[in-house]
Amino acid sequence: TQLLEQSPQFLSIQEGENLTVYCNSSSVFSSLQWYRQEPGEGPVLLVTVVTGGEVKKLKRLTFQFGDARKDSSLHITAAQPGDTGLYLCAGENTGTASKLTFGTGTRLQVTL
Amino acid sequence: DAGITQSPRHKVTETGTPVTLRCHQTENHRYMYWYRQDPGHGLRLIHYSYGVKDTDKGEVSDGYSVSRSKTEDFLLTLESATSSQTSVYFCAIGRLGSYEQYFGPGTRLTVT
Repeated sequence: TQLLEQSPQFLSIQEGENLTVYCNSSSVFSSLQWYRQEPGEGPVLLVTVVTGGEVKKLKRLTFQFGDARKDSSLHITAAQPGDTGLYLCAGENTGTASKLTFGTGTRLQVTL
Repeated sequence: DAGITQSPRHKVTETGTPVTLRCHQTENHRYMYWYRQDPGHGLRLIHYSYGVKDTDKGEVSDGYSVSRSKTEDFLLTLESATSSQTSVYFCAIGRLGSYEQYFGPGTRLTVT
C-alpha cells in the first residue's frame, strides 16, 4: 500500500508570512498532484508535477517534486486569508485505472 | 468548473436503513470515483468505475456497493447503514489517460 504523509497537519499563520507544506512517501510516484479544499466544498486541483526535480509556480504558490519522485513540497509566499483551506497531495497509482492515493492533508489558516 | 453534481447534499438516516447517493456528470469522463472523507484519514477510495457497468473496489469498500448503468451516473449504495458510515462522501471524475480528478461538492451523511 502506498502512503503519503503530509506535514504539518495544522498551520496557523498571519497574513504576509511564508510557509511550506511537505508531502512524503517511501514509494515512488509517476506523478503527484496538489489540491485545495475549502469548507463545505470538494477538493480543487491546483497543479500536477510529473518529472523528478520539477518546479511549478502558480502565482504565490511554488510546487516542487523531489528528484526521486517520493516527495513534494508546496511553498506559499506572502500568505493571504484567501489561501485558507485544506491542502491535499495525491500520488498516481501507476497502471490502476487512474487511481490516486491521497495524503492526510494540511489545514492552513491565514489570519489578518 | 467540471459539471459534477451530487445528491442529496445532506442526509440523516437511521442505522439499518438503505441509502443511495447519486453522482451525475455532464463531462462524459470515463472514470468515476466515490471517496469518503473523515478527520485524520483524508480521502479514502470506496469504489471506482472505468466504464459503464465496469466497477471495482477501493480500499474501504466493505458495506458499500455501486452501479453505473450510464456514463453520466454513478450510484453509491449503503445496503444497511451503520454509524461508522457517517462521513462526507465525494464523487470525482477523470478522463482516460489522465490522473487528474475533478470533485463534486460532497454529500454529508449522518447515520444515527
